[in-house]
Amino acid sequence: EVQLAESGGDLVQPGGSLRLSCVASGFTFASYWMTWVRQAPGKGLEWVANIKHDGSESYYVDSVKGRLTISRDNAKNSLYLQMNGLRAEDTAVYYCVRGGSDFYDWGQGTLVTVSS
Amino acid sequence: EIVLTQSPGTLSLSPGERATLSCRASQNVNNNYLAWYQQKPGQAPRFLIYSASSRAPGIPDRFSGSGSGTDFTLTISRLEPEDFALYYCQQSGTPPWTFGQGTKVEIK
Repeated sequence: EVQLAESGGDLVQPGGSLRLSCVASGFTFASYWMTWVRQAPGKGLEWVANIKHDGSESYYVDSVKGRLTISRDNAKNSLYLQMNGLRAEDTAVYYCVRGGSDFYDWGQGTLVTVSS
Repeated sequence: EIVLTQSPGTLSLSPGERATLSCRASQNVNNNYLAWYQQKPGQAPRFLIYSASSRAPGIPDRFSGSGSGTDFTLTISRLEPEDFALYYCQQSGTPPWTFGQGTKVEIK
């Protein structure tokens, strides 16, 4: 059974930083693109970033370029999202997702709140 | 970026009825890379359909997808109680990948 467990969400002030983590199990992590998708409270879904199997390529939605960085450690079956320069509009539940374009499996999400 | 517009915003139906959900793209979706997801309150989305018409593993055959180009449809042939939820379409034909705003299927 595929499991994706996110952690690291918290309340942070505007301009602050946070690092989200996702530990994967139940599949060969190193064989899959991985993605972060977010959902603001009461709103729809937004693709944030994805990363290739080996970490050699990554892509971002324009609104987060230069502030959020996706990375992975295949030895630890882990996906990360380093979040710097956080803004109020980054407030959302962040989901770790298996897949790079079709989103096969989703974690339960971790809540990031950006507020003073 | 490709904007996906879903209609209607809310669909009020009874169990056993047929649900037809629409997703229209602002430009052609390359290779018909259009997927559908189901989300229930407090839960993560669930992958239903990919490449416009292929069912994901474990998805009941009452769910079907169709369409091409800019117009796509998700059909639920006979609504079961567990099908009342929010549904999103998503394209991965042209980056950035984008989602529709969702259609809520509620019990009438």
